Amino acid sequence: GQNIDQPTEMTATEGAIVQINCTYQTSGFNGLFWYQQHAGEAPTFLSYNVLDGLEEKGRFSSFLSRSKGYSYLLLKELQMKDSASYLCAVRSFSGGYNKLIFGAGTRLAVHP
Amino acid sequence: EPEVTQTPSHQVTQMGQEVILRCVPISNHLYFYWYRQILGQKVEFLVSFYNNEISEKSEIFDDQFSVERPDGSNFTLKIRSTKLEDSAMYFCASEGENEQYFGPGTRLTVT
Repeated sequence: GQNIDQPTEMTATEGAIVQINCTYQTSGFNGLFWYQQHAGEAPTFLSYNVLDGLEEKGRFSSFLSRSKGYSYLLLKELQMKDSASYLCAVRSFSGGYNKLIFGAGTRLAVHP
Repeated sequence: EPEVTQTPSHQVTQMGQEVILRCVPISNHLYFYWYRQILGQKVEFLVSFYNNEISEKSEIFDDQFSVERPDGSNFTLKIRSTKLEDSAMYFCASEGENEQYFGPGTRLTVT
């Protein structure tokens, strides 16, 4: 079966660093995405990993270990506007096509 | 920057009525998707579409649902006879290189 786990909630302080973990068990793994979603809005793309290692993009970095079925999203220099849900999504390839399977999301609250 | 657009932003309908949700994907993309998100729950895959055909559908996507690309630009999701449990945000997405771009969503409320 397909399973994606991430913590339900996290809190952090403005200016700090936070790491959001994601573990997955899926078939046809073809990449892992992190999306940010503010309440009532669409998911917006943050990062993509298909090979093992760290991808850095400004204040956001994402890490993938395919052998461990594990990824994390690292947010640095937290700002209040970073308060949102962070969605881990695995791209699963089957029958020649991709679909995204989403975790339930981690709700991050950044406080002063 | 190209973007996916969806209309309407909010649709209210009575149980048993048909609704059509519309999406305009990014013009040079070939793969399209519908997802839904019930309030407070996770984003769920509904269906993928390529070359004017459904390529994969989830167990949620039953006979009440259909998709089509009527005119080469619009991509529609039709729900034939809505149920209360169809109330959700419906997101269209189109796929470019290594990224699925989501539209802003249509909030469907079934009363």
